[in-house]
Amino acid sequence: EPEVTQTPSHQVTQMGQEVILRCVPISNHLYFYWYRQILGQKVEFLVSFYNNEISEKSEIFDDQFSVERPDGSNFTLKIRSTKLEDSAMYFCASRGSLASGNTIYFGEGSWLTVV
Amino acid sequence: DQQVKQNSPSLSVQEGRISILNCDYTNSMFDYFLWYKKYPAEGPTFLISISSIKDKNEDGRFTVFLNKSAKHLSLHIVPSQPGDSAVYFCAASRGGAGGTSYGKLTFGQGTILTVHP
Repeated sequence: EPEVTQTPSHQVTQMGQEVILRCVPISNHLYFYWYRQILGQKVEFLVSFYNNEISEKSEIFDDQFSVERPDGSNFTLKIRSTKLEDSAMYFCASRGSLASGNTIYFGEGSWLTVV
Repeated sequence: DQQVKQNSPSLSVQEGRISILNCDYTNSMFDYFLWYKKYPAEGPTFLISISSIKDKNEDGRFTVFLNKSAKHLSLHIVPSQPGDSAVYFCAASRGGAGGTSYGKLTFGQGTILTVHP
């Protein structure tokens, strides 16, 4: 069964460092997303990406965050200067066309620890 | 943001019995609802969904019921199995131009389901 894959599974970084989280969405999907879950809290929407541009973003997704689809398969989330409060599990997700249904499929997550 | 609420943090059920997980929402613009199952340190796994034009959707042991007037949905698992033990999240979304808003999911806090053998 096709799946969303994410790397790394766990990253520890120093405060102020840049981090790039990588994702390979399901191959024929068109819509791509990043979510995060801070320990003990809800899963929160960060950003959605369609047709090579951001279609929607949350208040969390400030100027420190950026997303990119550098080629036909990868989808990345960059945090320019990490803060302690960025420590969370980051989930990439993808969805096919409307005709194929509205189900969002999630990856296994990348656990980011900022020290 | 309390637009989607799962008021029961945990539920314990005997194997073979029915598990009923509840979810309430406040935003009447939500028109698509999903249930996800999640194990620790893993991503949410899609279980079942329902559009607001329906009031019931069934898939094997899983049935989701939607009561739009009460802004309430529930997930029924029958019969419950020990392997169903996990955190269950309710999520909601609303449509938008081009369908791009079907992806901004608003999640509940989750309910920990434990199914005892």
